[in-house]
Amino acid sequence: RKEVEQDPGPFNVPEGATVAFNCTYSNSASQSFFWYRQDCRKEPKLLMSVYSSGNEDGRFTAQLNRASQYISLLIRDSKLSDSATYLCVVNIPMDSNYQLIWGAGTKLIIKP
Amino acid sequence: EPEVTQTPSHQVTQMGQEVILRCVPISNHLYFYWYRQILGQKVEFLVSFYNNEISEKSEIFDDQFSVERPDGSNFTLKIRSTKLEDSAMYFCASSEMSNNEQFFGPGTRLTVL
Repeated sequence: RKEVEQDPGPFNVPEGATVAFNCTYSNSASQSFFWYRQDCRKEPKLLMSVYSSGNEDGRFTAQLNRASQYISLLIRDSKLSDSATYLCVVNIPMDSNYQLIWGAGTKLIIKP
Repeated sequence: EPEVTQTPSHQVTQMGQEVILRCVPISNHLYFYWYRQILGQKVEFLVSFYNNEISEKSEIFDDQFSVERPDGSNFTLKIRSTKLEDSAMYFCASSEMSNNEQFFGPGTRLTVL
């Protein structure tokens, strides 16, 4: 099983719709979780951090289910500018440090 | 807002040449990272650096790679003898603590001919 698994998409969604992505992770010792967005040929940019059960920031809501080992990202009232690849990232303990494990990303295309 | 910067934005080199990619992390951050992303593929971890030494490295980070923090601000990645397959985007990132959010620079696109 891959350490961090995401549906690659693409998700084609009309503007204004609600879209949700799921991400599953295999390491139950994972401490923190992040959603990044990446535009084509650009660097990943932090979208949300998830340290407890969830986080909400405007139109974006992230939820964590530790028992089932998945994180979700919900985008409400989607905008054209939300078109990007959304990367699920899981922080796992490694000896005395942590390491980010990256999902392959879910591509989202918002259509007018 | 503080940000991670990287130079150059694009580096073209001949196979077998050495390249040095430069990064200036966010000033109060203590942990530094290099990642690479081959076009169309996922982000891959290369190495993490803390307290002037490597804390973790991946299988990709072999003897051809090295990192250095030559002064109080720069963090460099050196590839000694580049191969065609080293062509990728190389991202530098930094974080305050090892389990915190990492902030990425804009990347250096390395093209090996």
